[in-house]
Amino acid sequence: SQQGEEDPQALSIQEGENATMNCSYKTSINNLQWYRQNSGRGLVHLILIRSNEREKHSGRLRVTLDTSKKSSSLLITASRAADTASYFCATDKGYSTLTFGKGTMLLVSP
Amino acid sequence: KAGVTQTPRYLIKTRGQQVTLSCSPISGHRSVSWYQQTPGQGLQFLFEYFSETQRNKGNFPGRFSGRQFSNSRSEMNVSTLELGDSALYLCASSPDGHNQPQHFGDGTRLSIL
Repeated sequence: SQQGEEDPQALSIQEGENATMNCSYKTSINNLQWYRQNSGRGLVHLILIRSNEREKHSGRLRVTLDTSKKSSSLLITASRAADTASYFCATDKGYSTLTFGKGTMLLVSP
Repeated sequence: KAGVTQTPRYLIKTRGQQVTLSCSPISGHRSVSWYQQTPGQGLQFLFEYFSETQRNKGNFPGRFSGRQFSNSRSEMNVSTLELGDSALYLCASSPDGHNQPQHFGDGTRLSIL
């Protein structure tokens, strides 16, 4: 079953613009993770935010977590064509199983 | 450090056959998880192994099984293949699986004819 639901399903922007993706989930979590997947490849881990954290940064990535609203957002600043990929949020209850959303397809045009 | 390696990358089978997929985790990682990815259902958790024991299991029929060896390498087996088993099967590893990032392989693309 899908716990995370990403929004929007697809996003098209120009290079240099910021991209924001949102994720909502249903049950309590230990942490929430974001992954990127290029076409036909495996998932690449981007960032993990624990349930007691509200915001986390990694390079051009900023993730927020609001456990009261059961939601998270991923912001990619100054997007590049190489950021074109599908992005997934995944919730982790701490039992080493991830529950993924259906993902946001991001297209960054030069 | 070498990443997670999955073999084979592509596989074509027919209905009723069985298949075995292999996953070599990152050296030192003892937790190995398997996921199925399809356009319709997205990414779904199959099972997780730690120290040769299945620790968690997803909601899949008994035709899907797996095992882990003493060197942490893992295999998953699907018997009596159905058309709906066509998918990308992804393996992920982590040191012990708890509250950690998962490192994924590039998957095995299984097509059922």
